[in-house]
Amino acid sequence: RKEVEQDPGPFNVPEGATVAFNCTYSNSASQSFFWYRQDCRKEPKLLMSVYSSGNEDGRFTAQLNRASQYISLLIRDSKLSDSATYLCVVNRRGSQGNLIFGKGTKLSVKP
Amino acid sequence: DVKVTQSSRYLVKRTGEKVFLECVQDMDHENMFWYRQDPGLGLRLIYFSYDVKMKEKGDIPEGYSVSREKKERFSLILESASTNQTSMYLCASSFGTGTQPQHFGDGTRLSIL
Repeated sequence: RKEVEQDPGPFNVPEGATVAFNCTYSNSASQSFFWYRQDCRKEPKLLMSVYSSGNEDGRFTAQLNRASQYISLLIRDSKLSDSATYLCVVNRRGSQGNLIFGKGTKLSVKP
Repeated sequence: DVKVTQSSRYLVKRTGEKVFLECVQDMDHENMFWYRQDPGLGLRLIYFSYDVKMKEKGDIPEGYSVSREKKERFSLILESASTNQTSMYLCASSFGTGTQPQHFGDGTRLSIL
């Protein structure tokens, strides 16, 4: 199993749609989980951290399932500006500050 | 807001040249990282540092070295640039242990001719 695995997409959805991204990770000892967003030809930016109990930030909801080693991101009421690549990120156990980035899932929101 | 600044947005160099990429962060972060990003390969870690004068190899250190003489500055060095080092290079920093997110600079698009 790859360290962090994501469906590369692309996901093509209409404005207003709800879209969900999934991610699996291989190290059961991982403790920190994040979703990053990366626009075309730009740097990755932190979208949100993922907490064990699940967390929400406006239209975005992140969930963590430790038993299945699975992370999800749900985007409700998609906007054109949500078009980007979404990176699933997990800490690399035993290495200070070191994170493992998934290759990303590309989202395209159409009018 | 965390600010990570990379010295150049675009850089063109010739094969065999020694190339320096500079990165500065203003948040007193302990950890600093250099990645390269290529289409289809995602972000790959080259080197990282968790303290001044400390460095650790990442997943693809061959052909690169780094320098961290001051806490706020982390330099990536291509000892003898080759065409397969043409890429987007991203610097990042983070605070403390592995529970903290990383913050990225704007990136440097490096072309080796």
